Amino acid sequence: DTAVSQTPKYLVTQMGNDKSIKCEQNLGHDTMYWYKQDSKKFLKIMFSYNNKELIINETVPNRFSPKSPDKAHLNLHINSLELGDSAVYFCASSQDSGRVDNTGELFFGEGSRLTVL
Amino acid sequence: EDQVTQSPEALRLQEGESSSLNCSYTVSGLRGLFWYRQDPGKGPEFLFTLYSAGEEKEKERLKATLTKKESFLHITAPKPEDSATYLCAVHPNTDKLIFGTGTRLQVFP
Repeated sequence: DTAVSQTPKYLVTQMGNDKSIKCEQNLGHDTMYWYKQDSKKFLKIMFSYNNKELIINETVPNRFSPKSPDKAHLNLHINSLELGDSAVYFCASSQDSGRVDNTGELFFGEGSRLTVL
Repeated sequence: EDQVTQSPEALRLQEGESSSLNCSYTVSGLRGLFWYRQDPGKGPEFLFTLYSAGEEKEKERLKATLTKKESFLHITAPKPEDSATYLCAVHPNTDKLIFGTGTRLQVFP
């Protein structure tokens, strides 16, 4: 059983298009995250949700919109894709609140590689 | 500004050749330091949490240590299956983890 699953694994699209990435976790965790990993392997947080409530909203363009229909799902929708959006997007979850008391133990999905042409 | 720097960027070892990876940090109050392993095409996998200077954690051939300015991940007698990118992350006095760019380890038979 996959703990954190995200789809699609690969996504190739043209500039200006809109795309979505879906994420689901079956660990019963309360907090879910979206991270972006660039070509230099730098992993940076974008958003976190705790029980469907937005906790962290980093400085990302508002073309990126997360949506959490329930605490087991966190989707990422990207409008008007740009070349610089090309990266690997990771979904993750954790058992804690996602606030300053977190243990740092995140469970990551396998990533969704987005290529914008 | 909170910062995490890992060195070296890449490390090639012969099987059985022990070595250490470094994670240096400057943060506004450290609540925890974490090590992750990332295999190609996969998401990072949690290894250790360290909370205070002097603390050590071990798992098989890996041992993580922490001082007030840096952490080391010691790899004793590595095997080819230890080949991966090792990521360090810190939790400062904010709600988010800050990751380093990792050390890519290759262990040759």
